[in-house]
Amino acid sequence: DTGVSQDPRHKITKRGQNVTFRCDPISEHNRLYWYRQTLGQGPEFLTYFQNEAQLEKSRLLSDRFSAERPKGSFSTLEIQRTEQGDSAMYLCASSLGTGKETQYFGPGTRLLVL
Amino acid sequence: AQKVTQAQTEISVVEKEDVTLDCVYETRDTTYYLFWYKQPPSGELVFLIRRNSFDEQNEISGRYSWNFQKSTSSFNFTITASQVVDSAVYFCALSGSFTGGSNYKLTFGKGTLLTVNP
Repeated sequence: DTGVSQDPRHKITKRGQNVTFRCDPISEHNRLYWYRQTLGQGPEFLTYFQNEAQLEKSRLLSDRFSAERPKGSFSTLEIQRTEQGDSAMYLCASSLGTGKETQYFGPGTRLLVL
Repeated sequence: AQKVTQAQTEISVVEKEDVTLDCVYETRDTTYYLFWYKQPPSGELVFLIRRNSFDEQNEISGRYSWNFQKSTSSFNFTITASQVVDSAVYFCALSGSFTGGSNYKLTFGKGTLLTVNP
């Protein structure tokens, strides 16, 4: 099986710009999660999809953040008007969703906001 | 609210030593799942093991073993005869279940940086 993939792997942007990240889950995995990891910390939950439905958003996900999963396949995470505090690793994970709830993670997108 | 505590921030050992990584968790869910993930310098989180709250049987897989004790809310991880390739950050994580009102989202500890020196 192909694992979870994320694109781009690295992104450098200037404050105020918009960025979009993509995640392709493992095929047939109907649950998809986004997490954010800052230096020296464990990943923190951002949002979760079951198929195309976004079922929960963390308080960490401000109005500048939006996530989509059209057709229940790949997902995108967009950050508008980036701030320096958005600099982090953005991780995507997927799980089968049939009670076998092990989440498999992608390589992450490392964002640096200058 | 769920919480995972990994009290050991960094551990340094010499190759072939055994090392135990500690994990203590808090949850109000009666059914929950515990995980260990490894994050090497490349950054990708690698799944190691999942345990269900209703199964306290300890497990051994090669050089890895896990000790789950519900009475003390601990899920410790031991590497026997450590190798340089084991150097990484190790995360303990906890998730609930739909029956508990959760959505399987993971709550992670802050991680333990393990350095195995040759």
